[in-house]
Amino acid sequence: QSVLTLPPSTSGTPGQRVTISCSGSSSNIGSSAVNWYRQLPGTAPKLLIYGNNQRPSGVPDRFSGSKSGTSASLAISGLQSEDEADYYCAAWDDSLNGVVFGGGTKLTVL
Amino acid sequence: EVQLVQSGAEVKKPGESLKISCKGSGYTFTNYWIGWVRQMPGKGLEWMGIIYPGDSDTRYSPSFQGQVTISTDKSISIAYLQWASLKASDTAMYYCARQIVGASHGFDIWGQGTMVTVSS
Repeated sequence: QSVLTLPPSTSGTPGQRVTISCSGSSSNIGSSAVNWYRQLPGTAPKLLIYGNNQRPSGVPDRFSGSKSGTSASLAISGLQSEDEADYYCAAWDDSLNGVVFGGGTKLTVL
Repeated sequence: EVQLVQSGAEVKKPGESLKISCKGSGYTFTNYWIGWVRQMPGKGLEWMGIIYPGDSDTRYSPSFQGQVTISTDKSISIAYLQWASLKASDTAMYYCARQIVGASHGFDIWGQGTMVTVSS
């Protein structure tokens, strides 16, 4: 059971906008920045969003992040087939004194 | 190019010890925290702990405290993850990652992963 809650799966069609929501608590998302990662099959995770809504260099602006209270969201617009991957949210947890991850959301591009 | 390169896959027996490595290059190794993340087969990501190579300050997840040891040799820009006595449940992919500067605790550079298989 992960500390942060993500839907196990979601799907969309090419060109569509999809949103993945991550739910936490006051000890993690409520008090810390949220980061989002994408993991393509058989590869290491890649940072997509840090600090709730900042994109690292090289990440397209199709990806955006937001946070409100104890929840955060990742939005992907203009969905592409190569976006098919697992997506994880993460945040520092003050109670556990460490980073906690969501269990992962498998995005399928139909 | 900024990168982290991890040591190769390992196959070990229960009870054996193991030390895997993560070598940083292309940046000042001592200025960034390095973290370790476990991914068991078919499962999600788990934060194990982090180390600051500049002064070897180390933090562990409560789930991994006492189970593993994180260390570093800053003279050769390498971080290590080691086990004194492996269990079958340690079978997993292990990633090292560089933590970005700032309060977000995000990991911007990841190693390619080291697969550890523990089987009798």
